[in-house]
Amino acid sequence: DTAVSQTPKYLVTQMGNDKSIKCEQNLGHDTMYWYKQDSKKFLKIMFSYNNKELIINETVPNRFSPKSPDKAHLNLHINSLELGDSAVYFCASSLNFYSYNEQFFGPGTRLTVL
Amino acid sequence: AQTVTQSQPEMSVQEAETVTLSCTYDTSESDYYLFWYKQPPSRQMILVIRQEAYKQQNATENRFSVNFQKAAKSFSLKISDSQLGDAAMYFCAPAGGTSYGKLTFGQGTILTVHP
Repeated sequence: DTAVSQTPKYLVTQMGNDKSIKCEQNLGHDTMYWYKQDSKKFLKIMFSYNNKELIINETVPNRFSPKSPDKAHLNLHINSLELGDSAVYFCASSLNFYSYNEQFFGPGTRLTVL
Repeated sequence: AQTVTQSQPEMSVQEAETVTLSCTYDTSESDYYLFWYKQPPSRQMILVIRQEAYKQQNATENRFSVNFQKAAKSFSLKISDSQLGDAAMYFCAPAGGTSYGKLTFGQGTILTVHP
């Protein structure tokens, strides 16, 4: 039973395209996150939703738009992809944002923009 | 805002030996948590250990323990009896205070374990 799953695991696309990454958690958690890991392995938070409410929106180009249809799902849509968007994107979840709980990570989606 | 520094980009250890990975952080918060995550070649992020800043006792999880020095803002990870499966990138990350669950990751330390 996968706790946090992401689809797809690999995504190769051309510059200018629009793509989505989907994330689902079956842990019953209230909070979900999107992180970006760049080529130097630096991990930085992008967005967080708590009970479907956007609570973290870091300095990210507005080409990136998260969407949480329900507590178990958090999707990331990226418009007009650029070369610099190539990275590994991780989804994570935690019991509740305000309780400093452990975050459980998905397997990551490696996005390559050509 | 919290900042994190992992000053060792790479470390290596012989199997069965002990290694310590260092982490320093800066925060103005009084109530916070500290985490160590590992990322093996599979790229899955896995929690290794966590420490509550209000606790004076250092956290331990089997072969993993921390040396938490609150005044010095230092949070090092000690791995005893190193195993080949410990080879990974290790990230230190504080959270808490007014940042609540937001993790701020350090640059990471690549650990190599030699047989």
